Amino acid sequence: DSGVTQTPKHLITATGQRVTLRCSPRSGDLSVYWYQQSLDQGLQFLIQYYNGEERAKGNILERFSAQQFPDLHSELNLSSLELGDSALYFCASSFTGIGLLNFGSGTRLTVV
Amino acid sequence: AQRVTQPEKLLSVFKGAPVELKCNYSYSGSPELFWYVQYSRQRLQLLLRHISRESIKGFTADLNKGETSFHLKKPFAQEEDSAMYYCALGNNAGNMLTFGGGTRLMVKP
Repeated sequence: DSGVTQTPKHLITATGQRVTLRCSPRSGDLSVYWYQQSLDQGLQFLIQYYNGEERAKGNILERFSAQQFPDLHSELNLSSLELGDSALYFCASSFTGIGLLNFGSGTRLTVV
Repeated sequence: AQRVTQPEKLLSVFKGAPVELKCNYSYSGSPELFWYVQYSRQRLQLLLRHISRESIKGFTADLNKGETSFHLKKPFAQEEDSAMYYCALGNNAGNMLTFGGGTRLMVKP
């Protein structure tokens, strides 16, 4: 068990809707990373937070946003959902720096 | 920009055979490279990193800066090695880890 908790595990929603994915990092980890994994694109880095501040942005769409709260949990908000947003969304946390990531089990989002 | 390429989506070998999972990278800075593994129904987890130069579960990987490669090798594959393997590249700022597309390793009995 990595200590990283993601909820919900599965989510089915309709196009045009908005969803929020939640991540609780491993105890003591200050950094949270979000990744999107789709069949044809592999693991794509979305965004990273460190102790509440945004530190890096990857290929994150403008319809997506995230934040890290004072208790260090993070939320990824996806709005105006499209069929192509269907994917596995992973959260990972880290204490010692890049590369040593502890991954959650992911949230599988299906947009219908 | 940093990029990681794993040319093989699927690699199938027999038990006891040597295995090499290829990884090439593109990065203008000094690379930090990692291999992650995802066994069936388990989370993605770190297998090894180049700076530690260690062998984990019989796997080794050597960074070749001239060829910009970080191939993962094991002399004798075991059935329990069957999994999805991802090569990853960290940037110098330490805030972004870029993954390759992954290679599924199947070790047949």
